[in-house]
Amino acid sequence: QKEVEQNSGPLSVPEGAIASLNCTYSDRVSQSFFWYRQYSGKSPELIMSIYSNGDKEDGRFTAQLNKASQYVSLLIRDSQPSDSATYLCAVNLDNFNKFYFGSGTKLNVKP
Amino acid sequence: EPEVTQTPSHQVTQMGQEVILRCVPISNHLYFYWYRQILGQKVEFLVSFYNNEISEKSEIFDDQFSVERPDGSNFTLKIRSTKLEDSAMYFCASSGDLSSGANVLTFGAGSRLTVL
Repeated sequence: QKEVEQNSGPLSVPEGAIASLNCTYSDRVSQSFFWYRQYSGKSPELIMSIYSNGDKEDGRFTAQLNKASQYVSLLIRDSQPSDSATYLCAVNLDNFNKFYFGSGTKLNVKP
Repeated sequence: EPEVTQTPSHQVTQMGQEVILRCVPISNHLYFYWYRQILGQKVEFLVSFYNNEISEKSEIFDDQFSVERPDGSNFTLKIRSTKLEDSAMYFCASSGDLSSGANVLTFGAGSRLTVL
């Protein structure tokens, strides 16, 4: 059983703060890691992908991967109320065919 | 930007009726998927499809469900005899970019199914 675990939240942060979202996964052969954002009633949209250990930055978003600890995180700097959504962690095996999702962390950014 | 398109956006049906949800995946993607999300719950994998056949399916994807790629562009999910618990948002997705080799999963906007 492939597990992707996330704290369901809600995680509440004030506007302008750093939001830190965490995800652990059980399968050591996982190859690719993704963060999706899902607004209520909408489909998941890709925020970040990360494939190797370390940090990857894209604007206000930074993904961090530690394969030894089987841990991936997403930092959102200068959080905005528009960042309020559920953030889904996804892990990919076998390159193309298998994507496993966590249950998501709900983020509330308070003005 | 290429996108996955789904129709209908919302379908209401009576219990026991057949429903077909349609999807047009991104044209140069190799893998196609259906996911389900019951209101307030997690995104659940139903089935993946590659090279005109099912490559993997979950326990949810029982005999009531089937998928088909009837032509070169459409990818359909059929629910033969709907039950109340089939009410959910159904997301089509595709991955496996033939030109770039990228394996990012791209979702459609979803089809909301309401079974009465």
